[in-house]
Amino acid sequence: AQSVTQPDIHITVSEGASLELRCNYSYGATPYLFWYVQSPGQGLQLLLKYFSGDTLVQGIKGFEAEFKRSQSSFNLRKPSVHWSDAAEYFCAVGAAYGGATNKLIFGTGTLLAVQP
Amino acid sequence: DGGITQSPKYLFRKEGQNVTLSCEQNLNHDAMYWYRQDPGQGLRLIYYSQIVNDFQKGDIAEGYSVSREKKESFPLTVTSAQKNPTAFYLCASSATLIGANVLTFGAGSRLTVL
Repeated sequence: AQSVTQPDIHITVSEGASLELRCNYSYGATPYLFWYVQSPGQGLQLLLKYFSGDTLVQGIKGFEAEFKRSQSSFNLRKPSVHWSDAAEYFCAVGAAYGGATNKLIFGTGTLLAVQP
Repeated sequence: DGGITQSPKYLFRKEGQNVTLSCEQNLNHDAMYWYRQDPGQGLRLIYYSQIVNDFQKGDIAEGYSVSREKKESFPLTVTSAQKNPTAFYLCASSATLIGANVLTFGAGSRLTVL
C-alpha cells in the first residue's frame, strides 16, 4: 500500500535561513508527487508537482523539490525563508499507473515556524 | 475566477443530528473528493466521485454519505453514526480521476459537535 512519511512534525527556522522539509514515500512504481501548503483554517494550495521528466522541479514562492528514486524521497527546499512562509506543509503521493491516480495519500504534515 | 466553494465555514451540531456540508465547483472538473483533517493525522479520504451519479468509498467512509447529482456539486452528509465527527473537512476536485492532474481544494468547513 502507498504511504507517505514526513518525519518532522515541527520545524523552526530563522528568517533568511535555508529550509529543507523531508518527505519519504512507499510505492511500488514511479509515483506522482506533490507538495501543498496550508495556512491556519484554510484550504491547501499547490506548491509544486512531479509527474515525470526532470527530477528537480520548481514551484511557486521560490520553492523547489527533488525526486530521488533511489531514496524514495521528494524533499522540499527553499534557499531563504520569509516570515510569510510560516504554515503547514503536506507531501502527497498519487499512483502513476493502474487506477485512481488522483486519489492522493497525504503525509501528516510539517508545521513550519519562522523566527524573526 | 474558477474555484471550489465550501459552506458553511463553521458549523456546530448536537450529538445525534445529521449535518450536510456543501461543496460546489465551477472548474468543470469531473472528479471530486472529500477529505477529513485532524491535527497530527494529515488528510484522510472519505469519499470520491469520478463522474455524475457515481461515487466510491475512501479510507474512512463509515458514518458519512455523499451524492453526485450534478457535475458541479458533491455534498457530504455527516450522520449520527459517525462517532467522532468534530474535524476540518476539505473538498477537492481534479479534471479527471486518472491521469496527471492536480487537486484543487476549497477553503474547508469546520464541524464541531457539542
